[in-house]
Amino acid sequence: DGGITQSPKYLFRKEGQNVTLSCEQNLNHDAMYWYRQDPGQGLRLIYYSQIVNDFQKGDIAEGYSVSREKKESFPLTVTSAQKNPTAFYLCASAPLTNTEAFFGQGTRLTVV
Amino acid sequence: AQSVTQPDIHITVSEGASLELRCNYSYGATPYLFWYVQSPGQGLQLLLKYFSGDTLVQGIKGFEAEFKRSQSSFNLRKPSVHWSDAAEYFCAVRGSTLGRLYFGRGTQLTVWP
Repeated sequence: DGGITQSPKYLFRKEGQNVTLSCEQNLNHDAMYWYRQDPGQGLRLIYYSQIVNDFQKGDIAEGYSVSREKKESFPLTVTSAQKNPTAFYLCASAPLTNTEAFFGQGTRLTVV
Repeated sequence: AQSVTQPDIHITVSEGASLELRCNYSYGATPYLFWYVQSPGQGLQLLLKYFSGDTLVQGIKGFEAEFKRSQSSFNLRKPSVHWSDAAEYFCAVRGSTLGRLYFGRGTQLTVWP
């Protein structure tokens, strides 16, 4: 089945450690996105990519990094520079034509 | 810049009652508009979308939305709410930068039995 897979669903890390969240899609979409969701704040864009080996910062990119080495994959690294990393992270993909984005099931990251 | 406003943070309705969730957007041209629904701990599922043409669009689960250019609105409606509709609802607009989606802050819907 086509879709977007985020792993793991739950992730726990100690403060000061980097952590990488996985996002894979088999929809052949060119564009991929990472959003952060906190209660009452909606979805805030971290990074997005429209083509392999290229990506752009979103509204809250500080403390995060991404790579886009393959069309299917768009991993997000939460670095120790991110001041408040505990949140729900959503990955999405979309064709480059103006149609809807498709979302993964999310990863809940807890930093202790 | 594009933006989306959902003025209602939380709405409570009784099962069987009608529902309207408000959404206002800011965008210079004809927007591409979406409503998504999210159950707790899950990803977002598309309810419906508007690109052009008929301003009243039908979606899944009995939802519909009406695009009103004069009011910059795209309100979501359902004639009779079911308990399973309890979730968080997000309005989104596709921006001028191809591919980027702007989301509202969401409206949490509670349904009383």
